[in-house]
Amino acid sequence: EAGVVQSPRYKIIEKKQPVAFWCNPISGHNTLYWYRQNLGQGPELLIRYENEEAVDDSQLPKDRFSAERLKGVDSTLKIQPAELGDSAVYLCASSLDGTGSEKLFFGSGTQLSVL
Amino acid sequence: EDQVTQSPEALRLQEGESSSLNCSYTVSGLRGLFWYRQDPGKGPEFLFTLYSAGEEKEKERLKATLTKKESFLHITAPKPEDSATYLCAVQAGGTYKYIFGTGTRLKVLA
Repeated sequence: EAGVVQSPRYKIIEKKQPVAFWCNPISGHNTLYWYRQNLGQGPELLIRYENEEAVDDSQLPKDRFSAERLKGVDSTLKIQPAELGDSAVYLCASSLDGTGSEKLFFGSGTQLSVL
Repeated sequence: EDQVTQSPEALRLQEGESSSLNCSYTVSGLRGLFWYRQDPGKGPEFLFTLYSAGEEKEKERLKATLTKKESFLHITAPKPEDSATYLCAVQAGGTYKYIFGTGTRLKVLA
């Protein structure tokens, strides 16, 4: 069974440039999460989707971040424009059902460096 | 406010030297407490879920326990391949949100 797939693995951009991350969750998983992990910290939730609906985006900086999950499968997270403080690892995770107490399956993440 | 605190931040052990990692939490309506392992350059990998005080789970050299205020991850006779960051997370009852701690970086020396 394929795991959660993310791309790209690494991205280096200059500040004020746009950047996008892509995630393909495990087949059949209804719930998709985007987390941001700063160095030496635990993952912090940015947005959670149940199918194609964003059910928790309270921590998403909406002035510069946007996300979509078309047809309830793949998802894209975008930052425009990027700032120096956005440098972090962006993790995508999925689970069967977000309202159950279920384990999350994580991708390997996209490491973003903003110069 | 829902919160998770892990200690110590970092731990160095000799191979075979058993120890415990701590995860203290405050959460409204605990739905579950999760332990994950994270290797450098990878996403967290699931280890255990605990649901109620008194529950214990084991996997190879790892044993997780849960009380009403904290969880312990016991590592018995660790090996160098156990070196990783161990993350604790709780799922809050009302919001279903997973809240992660900052992790314990474990290094096991041969």
